[in-house]
Amino acid sequence: GQQLNQSPQSMFIQEGEDVSMNCTSSSIFNTWLWYKQDPGEGPVLLIALYKAGELTSNGRLTAQFGITRKDSFLNISASIPSDVGIYFCAGQGIYNQGGKLIFGQGTELSVKP
Amino acid sequence: GAVVSQHPSWVICKSGTSVKIECRSLDFQATTMFWYRQFPKQSLMLMATSNEGSKATYEQGVEKDKFLINHASLTLSTLTVTSAHPEDSSFYICSADLLAGGTDTQYFGPGTRLTVL
Repeated sequence: GQQLNQSPQSMFIQEGEDVSMNCTSSSIFNTWLWYKQDPGEGPVLLIALYKAGELTSNGRLTAQFGITRKDSFLNISASIPSDVGIYFCAGQGIYNQGGKLIFGQGTELSVKP
Repeated sequence: GAVVSQHPSWVICKSGTSVKIECRSLDFQATTMFWYRQFPKQSLMLMATSNEGSKATYEQGVEKDKFLINHASLTLSTLTVTSAHPEDSSFYICSADLLAGGTDTQYFGPGTRLTVL
């Protein structure tokens, strides 16, 4: 079945540093989505990518949809304490029925003030 | 825009009772909603796809008689955990699918923490 490999699993960084995380898959995806989840909350959509090669920014966040449709990265610039949380990538495959998402394992980000 | 709510945000119940969780899309209509379950430190696990006006589609290994789903309107889906047991304790999250401009994007609710005693 389709799987997403997300890395790294966790990151411990200093405030102000840049962060990069990525997802790869052996399957092609139509859509890549990046979500952030705070403890005890539902995931919040950060960036949605719909076209291969697409590069999209949302404030300090930048994400790209790989040209092969099999990967995506998320960058966070100048991290701040409120960036702490778990980041998930999610893909919607070409052959998925009904819009189901496949989720990565998550990247837990810790920011030291 | 694209706000999804869940009610209740948390619930504690006795073993053997049933619990209903509501998922509402507040500012858009959603033909399709999804129900997920999440254990601590793990990713989201899709339980079922809820389709307005038709039967839900359950993922492999999810008991449809245990987790009843009803999607009676374009803004409301409900998940009922029947005869709950302690092993059903978990964080349940719904999402609603927003179709716009030729794309569809899932927006998530805030989750419901279920604790079965």
